[in-house]
Amino acid sequence: GAVVSQHPSWVICKSGTSVKIECRSLDFQATTMFWYRQFPKQSLMLMATSNEGSKATYEQGVEKDKFLINHASLTLSTLTVTSAHPEDSSFYICSARDLAGGMATQYFGPGTRLTVL
Amino acid sequence: QQQVKQSPQSLIVQKGGISIINCAYENTAFDYFPWYQQFPGKGPALLIAIRPDVSEKKEGRFTISFNKSAKQFSLHIMDSQPGDSATYFCAASMGNGNKLVFGAGTILRVKS
Repeated sequence: GAVVSQHPSWVICKSGTSVKIECRSLDFQATTMFWYRQFPKQSLMLMATSNEGSKATYEQGVEKDKFLINHASLTLSTLTVTSAHPEDSSFYICSARDLAGGMATQYFGPGTRLTVL
Repeated sequence: QQQVKQSPQSLIVQKGGISIINCAYENTAFDYFPWYQQFPGKGPALLIAIRPDVSEKKEGRFTISFNKSAKQFSLHIMDSQPGDSATYFCAASMGNGNKLVFGAGTILRVKS
């Protein structure tokens, strides 16, 4: 299957600082990537859909000014958590859509554990 | 109508047994139904997926059964192994690779 990487795998930051998380599709091009948030023992919550070369589409209740998404190339999307606070601590996971073979499939990255002190 | 309901919440199966996880949906516009496996601290990994034009799909020990009229689909894990112990999520989407709606997840534990 296709491979998606995330960097960093974990990050600890102080309250008020900004953190950038990268999501890369390593062996395919992805015009669309998705960003999810997952709390312990819960399901994945879609935050936004990231389309290459255009503005991201945010789900209801997600603050677009707080969670900045950039999809500048066909293999890279970034999520920046601005002015992070302890309540932003979570597991952030990206996925990339692979259109190979005519059946679009979402492949997920390994996730980034964010802890805000 | 956008929900996907998954059951059971947790499941304990003996090694070599069959694990069965069920999902139900309401939106008949859903046309893609994948299953993901997630280990603690890792991202979900695609296991198997099905479209509504077939009633069953098998890949190795994993089988999806799909009942379009009942709007239900299930994952069967044959000869369950301790290494299968993980959280399993069903999902559904409309169109080609559009956003996924996830079930709540099932924590599977396979006892050796």
